[in-house]
Amino acid sequence: GESVGLHLPTLSVQEGDNSIINCAYSNSASDYFIWYKQESGKGPQFIIDIRSNMDKRQGQRVTVLLNKTVKHLSLQIAATQPGDSAVYFCAEKDDYKLSFGAGTTVTVRA
Amino acid sequence: EAGVAQSPRYKIIEKRQSVAFWCNPISGHATLYWYQQILGQGPKLLIQFQNNGVVDDSQLPKDRFSAERLKGVDSTLKIQPAKLEDSAVYLCASSLASGGANGELFFGEGSRLTVL
Repeated sequence: GESVGLHLPTLSVQEGDNSIINCAYSNSASDYFIWYKQESGKGPQFIIDIRSNMDKRQGQRVTVLLNKTVKHLSLQIAATQPGDSAVYFCAEKDDYKLSFGAGTTVTVRA
Repeated sequence: EAGVAQSPRYKIIEKRQSVAFWCNPISGHATLYWYQQILGQGPKLLIQFQNNGVVDDSQLPKDRFSAERLKGVDSTLKIQPAKLEDSAVYLCASSLASGGANGELFFGEGSRLTVL
């Protein structure tokens, strides 16, 4: 069936380095892709989204890349900070339904 | 702006008992969602309301789970009887439009259920 998934469950990053979190999806009908951040004990928080007719979108310290050819989505975090430690989920929206992948746990080393 | 409010934050019950979770969405948000998040997994949609109507409840285990949003504002999710595998965080979210106009859902902090 259709699914959203992340390549790696964990990522350890040195503070100040750039982080890249990857996600593969299989539903070619999805029109939006969204990245969420979830800190321990909290609900997911919206980071950035991208429409299916775009291949790149930038926010504050974050960039999302979409490669529809290989159905791949990535989130790049520039100059990773301790506060970036969290679980990151990619999600895809098909019509009204939002489906989440399993998540990547990012740990920032001081 | 007040966020999505959920209660209780934590609940411990024994299997076969019942439990109810309450959610108050952000004011003006027409769409309300209940997600189940099992430890180590991404949130899974249980039910989605548009005002007081159900948009999608295809993944709601209807033999034991029920949810209502009678006045189109706050919502209650009930589990009766609970099973061990229902141990999870139950997240409520809301958005202005169905699916979020740009996918942006606003989540509450969740209600953590432990079934013993």
